[in-house]
Amino acid sequence: NAGVTQTPKFQVLKTGQSMTLQCAQDMNHNSMYWYRQDPGMGLRLIYYSASEGTTDKGEVPNGYNVSRLNKREFSLRLESAAPSQTSVYFCASSERGGENIQYFGAGTRLSVL
Amino acid sequence: KQEVTQIPAALSVPEGENLVLNCSFTDSAIYNLQWFRQDPGKGLTSLLLIQSSQREQTSGRLNASLDKSSGRSTLYIAASQPGDSATYLCAVLTSGTYKYIFGTGTRLKVLA
Repeated sequence: NAGVTQTPKFQVLKTGQSMTLQCAQDMNHNSMYWYRQDPGMGLRLIYYSASEGTTDKGEVPNGYNVSRLNKREFSLRLESAAPSQTSVYFCASSERGGENIQYFGAGTRLSVL
Repeated sequence: KQEVTQIPAALSVPEGENLVLNCSFTDSAIYNLQWFRQDPGKGLTSLLLIQSSQREQTSGRLNASLDKSSGRSTLYIAASQPGDSATYLCAVLTSGTYKYIFGTGTRLKVLA
């Protein structure tokens, strides 16, 4: 099993450009998450999807949109990238919300110049 | 608002030592708490999940305890090895929410 797969692994954008971070899981999990990790800030939740077809805002949703395309895939879109969005982005999944262990992808390292 | 603190931020110990990592949280109404390990440049791996009704969980050389009333959890690592070197994070799920709140982690280095 691949677990949680994120693409791309690295990306450099110019201010104002847009891009979509892709995430897919092969564990038949219901819940999926997007986090960002910044030095000294810990991980912060951007968006959450409890199940296919539902999404909810986390702590830091501004500047991002998400799509739960199907049970496997949960994408994160930056419509107009800003330097403040330079971060490491992690996708995670769990069988059913916070009751279960979360499995993380390897991350996408994004720099916005 | 739930806040999670991990002290110390960094720790360096010789191989073979038993060690304790600390995690404290401000709102004791939690659903569960997870301890994660993160290697440099990698994602997080869940080590232990403690439900609010539990006092401790064990996996191999790892033991995590939970004291909800005092807002504390500890991760005990027995007979530390260089391969244990990593950043350890705790995350708390407050009751009635789906949002894990993460601490900033303790960066552990075990010296051979």
